[in-house]
Amino acid sequence: KQEVTQIPAALSVPEGENLVLNCSFTDSAIYNLQWFRQDPGKGLTSLLLIQSSQREQTSGRLNASLDKSSGRSTLYIAASQPGDSATYLCAVTYGNNRLAFGKGNQVVVIP
Amino acid sequence: NAGVTQTPKFQVLKTGQSMTLQCAQDMNHEYMSWYRQDPGMGLRLIHYSVGAGITDQGEVPNGYNVSRSTTEDFPLRLLSAAPSQTSVYFCASSYSATGQQETQYFGPGTRLLVL
Repeated sequence: KQEVTQIPAALSVPEGENLVLNCSFTDSAIYNLQWFRQDPGKGLTSLLLIQSSQREQTSGRLNASLDKSSGRSTLYIAASQPGDSATYLCAVTYGNNRLAFGKGNQVVVIP
Repeated sequence: NAGVTQTPKFQVLKTGQSMTLQCAQDMNHEYMSWYRQDPGMGLRLIHYSVGAGITDQGEVPNGYNVSRSTTEDFPLRLLSAAPSQTSVYFCASSYSATGQQETQYFGPGTRLLVL
């Protein structure tokens, strides 16, 4: 069974610092890995998708890396802003487009 | 495009009642799935579908039924609600082309409270 772990569960950083969120998974037989953002009481918004053949993906201040062989991904958010405060979810896609999720990194950016 | 829509947004049920959570997408996606999100448990897969007429169980299927008669709709039925089914339910859809799995799109969620 695919297990996805996110560390740390919660973190607070001062505005302007870079954020580093970690995700690990137990089975390297994945199609891709997605990072989502979830605001309190809201749905999930896809931030980045990395195909299993890729090593990283970038969008604006966000950069995500994938090391499939070691079962790890890292999401970097440069120059954090208070608007980045949210929960970030890592999910891997396996057979039939099913997702296995981590429990999330709850981020607070302090002004 | 409306994307993935879910109704209702919020529902209160009594134990033993039944209800259907609606999910629809207008992106002609083949794959649709239902997840529940509980504090401390993350999101867990309930049921999924790879196309009209084809469904299968996920990680936590007990107490739920699904069917997929059209590409657009994927309703989730609670047969006899229990307090353990109090949760936030998310529907998702995605498209798969040339073997690559594409971005998953999520609906806004349905908050269910079972008393």
